[in-house]
Amino acid sequence: QKEVEQNSGPLSVPEGAIASLNCTYSDRGSQSFFWYRQYSGKSPELIMFIYSNGDKEDGRFTAQLNKASQYVSLLIRDSQPSDSATYLCAVLTSGGSYIPTFGRGTSLIVHP
Amino acid sequence: DTAVSQTPKYLVTQMGNDKSIKCEQNLGHDTMYWYKQDSKKFLKIMFSYNNKELIINETVPNRFSPKSPDKAHLNLHINSLELGDSAVYFCASSWKVTGSEQFFGPGTRLTVL
Repeated sequence: QKEVEQNSGPLSVPEGAIASLNCTYSDRGSQSFFWYRQYSGKSPELIMFIYSNGDKEDGRFTAQLNKASQYVSLLIRDSQPSDSATYLCAVLTSGGSYIPTFGRGTSLIVHP
Repeated sequence: DTAVSQTPKYLVTQMGNDKSIKCEQNLGHDTMYWYKQDSKKFLKIMFSYNNKELIINETVPNRFSPKSPDKAHLNLHINSLELGDSAVYFCASSWKVTGSEQFFGPGTRLTVL
């Protein structure tokens, strides 16, 4: 069973702080990694994707991938109350069908 | 214009009934998906079609039957609905099977009484 693990939280950070969200995965053959944000009652929307080891930055967001340790993280700098949502880590596993597997999500609360 | 649309948005029905959910994408994507998100917000893949061909079928009861009449549409028919089928069902699409982001529809909240 290919698994994607996230701490369910909630992770509570003050406005302006850095929020750090972590995700581990079990399948070493995983190739593509995604972070989605889901507001309550809404559908998931893509924040970032990363394919290679290292860091990838996009505005206030940085995705970090370490395939040797099988973890991927998302850093949100200068956190805003509007960042309060559930963040879903998704991993595209191989094995012929490229099955997308989602973690259970981490709830982030940014308080003013 | 809505990229991925689903109908209906809400569906309330009795146990034992049969119901369908429809999904359409106007993005020109090759691949479409059905997900189930339970009350604990766990998003689990059910099916995926690539150019009208079923490529993922993940341990789903055979009461659930997807159908893709063309690559822009993916419907989900559910027979003999059970209480445990209550969830939010999301349709999604992506450019291709491998390594591309998914665009999600607004979801269909199914409640089985």
